[in-house]
Amino acid sequence: DTGVSQNPRHKITKRGQNVTFRCDPISEHNRLYWYRQTLGQGPEFLTYFQNEAQLEKSRLLSDRFSAERPKGSFSTLEIQRTEQGDSAMYLCASSLFEAHEQYFGPGTRLTVT
Amino acid sequence: KNEVEQSPQNLTAQEGEFITINCSYSVGISALHWLQQHPGGGIVSLFMLSSGKKKHGRLIATINIQEKHSSLHITASHPRDSAVYICAVSPNTGNQFYFGTGTSLTVIP
Repeated sequence: DTGVSQNPRHKITKRGQNVTFRCDPISEHNRLYWYRQTLGQGPEFLTYFQNEAQLEKSRLLSDRFSAERPKGSFSTLEIQRTEQGDSAMYLCASSLFEAHEQYFGPGTRLTVT
Repeated sequence: KNEVEQSPQNLTAQEGEFITINCSYSVGISALHWLQQHPGGGIVSLFMLSSGKKKHGRLIATINIQEKHSSLHITASHPRDSAVYICAVSPNTGNQFYFGTGTSLTVIP
């Protein structure tokens, strides 16, 4: 297994468009996390899954954001009607257990013009 | 409010210097993590600790649970250590990480 992968690595979109990102976690990891990171800041928690169940969502996750993890494997994060303030690095991480070490993907950098 | 505070925000050192980065947190935790982030975004976990001290190569991490404080030390720093170092905690309640804003380290040859 080569670790957590994310696609695409970069996405440039126009304001108002919808975008979808994909995260493939390490195969035996049952926990999957999404974070957002803006320049000069640490990552901020968005949501996490245990297997296919979405167990917690941050207040940062407005109704324009939706995440899924069908079958408890890969996950998608969709942003509808993108705004310039959505420009950030979106990071995915997976872990084997609660509070266990998290393994991060390379991130998807979103630029909304 | 910031559950995790790091200092300094930026640090420049000469190659070979001993470096210390500090992290303080305000919540009860089950573990504290030190992460390294290189330009381009990739994050690598350096340490996960809940007590005492861990060492890996030139990196040493310590934690004082009573004082809610951790330090990351780099001995004999090298330009390839240049990166952002992020402290994160796994709180006792809830399942998310709380992250510090990171310390940007530049080691000059």
